[in-house]
Amino acid sequence: EAGVAQSPRYKIIEKRQSVAFWCNPISGHATLYWYQQILGQGPKLLIQFQNNGVVDDSQLPKDRFSAERLKGVDSTLKIQPAKLEDSAVYLCASSPRLRPGEQYFGPGTRLTVT
Amino acid sequence: AQTVTQSQPEMSVQEAETVTLSCTYDTSESDYYLFWYKQPPSRQMILVIRQEAYKQQNATENRFSVNFQKAAKSFSLKISDSQLGDAAMYFCAYRRGSSGDKLTFGTGTRLAVRP
Repeated sequence: EAGVAQSPRYKIIEKRQSVAFWCNPISGHATLYWYQQILGQGPKLLIQFQNNGVVDDSQLPKDRFSAERLKGVDSTLKIQPAKLEDSAVYLCASSPRLRPGEQYFGPGTRLTVT
Repeated sequence: AQTVTQSQPEMSVQEAETVTLSCTYDTSESDYYLFWYKQPPSRQMILVIRQEAYKQQNATENRFSVNFQKAAKSFSLKISDSQLGDAAMYFCAYRRGSSGDKLTFGTGTRLAVRP
């Protein structure tokens, strides 16, 4: 079974620029999560999708962050414009319908904003 | 709001020895799950072990076991016969029993394994 795929693995941009991250969850997993992990901290949920609908985006800075999950499979997270404090690893995870407590994580995208 | 606290930023263990990582949590819920995740330097988070709050028996997965003290809201991870590959960040996480709810993570414990 293929794991959660994310791209790119690394991205360096200047502040005020835009960036997008892509995630392909494990096949058949209905729930998809985007987490932000700042260095030295645990991951923090940004947004959660159930199929292609948003379940929780309460901690998503909506003035600059957006996310979508078209057709309930792949997902894209966008930051526009980026700030220095957005430097972090962005983790995507997915969980199966019958075992929603088990989340499987991708390798993450390390974003550096200069 | 639920909180998860890991009071040990760093721990060290000799290879083949046993180490215990601590985690406490705060919740008013009665139905919830607790997890330990491992994050090696490659940064891919891996589920190590999970515990359902309604189960009194402590979960075990090979060399990994937990000590779940529900009344004390404590959830420690014991790693027996430590191996060099166990070196990683370990995160304790909480999830309400509601289907598909989010994980709330602690700040992590960095485990070093001495050869």
